[in-house]
This record gives sequence, structure tokens and C-alpha cells, in this order.
Amino acid sequence: SQTIHQWPATLVQPVGSPLSLECTVEGTSNPNLYWYRQAAGRGLQLLFYSVGIGQISSEVPQNLSASRPQDRQFILSSKKLLLSDSGFYLCAWSVQYGYTFGSGTRLTVV
Amino acid sequence: AQSVTQPDIHITVSEGASLELRCNYSYGATPYLFWYVQSPGQGLQLLLKYFSGDTLVQGIKGFEAEFKRSQSSFNLRKPSVHWSDAAEYFCAVALRGGGATNKLIFGTGTLLAVQP
Repeated sequence: SQTIHQWPATLVQPVGSPLSLECTVEGTSNPNLYWYRQAAGRGLQLLFYSVGIGQISSEVPQNLSASRPQDRQFILSSKKLLLSDSGFYLCAWSVQYGYTFGSGTRLTVV
Repeated sequence: AQSVTQPDIHITVSEGASLELRCNYSYGATPYLFWYVQSPGQGLQLLLKYFSGDTLVQGIKGFEAEFKRSQSSFNLRKPSVHWSDAAEYFCAVALRGGGATNKLIFGTGTLLAVQP
């Protein structure tokens, strides 16, 4: 079956610390992968997407970066977190126009 | 500019009342259209989608949506709201023929509260 794993579920990090959120998918090959962020009181904003290994496109300028070291692995990173990086991060994959979302990571930067 | 608009940030309805959540899009061609629901602390669940064909789409949990090309709208409806429908609702679009990316773009969401 097609599943998506995202961890951790919650994370509290101090300002200036690094970040690594990981997302892996199962049951599909060569999916498109996406990172979204939902900030308090705002909608879901597309941060990055990837159509293949090593191919990353950024949708908005920001303090974050993404990498896709393997076909079914998508990583969201930061070298130094800002307070404004707090939010709910969702990983997703798609094949054609069917989308599957992870359960999300609640990140609080303090 | 290309956009997806959900004009209502918050809506409160009484249990048993009807519901309509608005969604408008601004794209050169009709995109693929989706409605998702997010319950508190949860991920996203697909309610329904429109690709082509019948403009009235039936979804899960008793929801339906109507695509109106002339109004560039895809409003979500439910005839009788249940307390468990309290959640945040997102309209989303993906461009037809968008190449390999198939990016899904979301509106800002509508937070639904249900009064007993």
C-alpha cells in the first residue's frame, strides 16, 4: 500500500539551532514530493517540490532548504532556525494528480 | 495573478443547519479542483475533487461541491452540519498540463465552528 511517514510529530527547538525533518514514502516509485508549511492563522504554503532525485525547486525565499537524496526520501533542513520558522510542516507526494499527505510536524522555535 | 481565494476565514453554523464554503480561483484555464479538511492536530483528508464531467461532485462525509466555470468558483456544501464537521477546510487547485510538477496550491482556509 502507499504510505508516507513523517517525523517527528512535534519538535521544540531554540532559535539558532539546526533543523532536519524527514519524510519517506512507500509503495510508489518516482513520485513528486512536496513540503508545505502552515503558519498560525495562515493557509498551506508550498515551500519546496521535487520531481526527482537531487532536483529541488523552491517556491518562496526563506531560511529553509530541502534535499532529496533518494527517490522516496525528502528532507527539510535549516542551519539556523528563526522564530518565524515556527509552524506545522506537511510532507506530501503525488503521482499524476493524486496526492497523499503525511501527518505533519509541529515545530515551535523558542 | 494566479490565486485561490477562500473569502471566509471563520464561519459558525448551528448543528443541523446547511453549510456553504466559498472558493474562487484565478487561472488562465480551469484547473483541477480539490477540497480538503483538516481536523485539529491532524493531517489533510481529501473530501472531493473535480477534474471534468458533471459539475456537481459528491464527496465523503455528505459533502458536495459545484464547479461553476462562469464564476470561477468551486463551492463546498453540506445540507446538514454535524458537530464533528468542525475543522478547517481548504480549497486547492492544480494546473492542468502543469508539466511534471503537479503542484497543489491551497487557499488560506476556512475555519468552521459548529454550535450545538
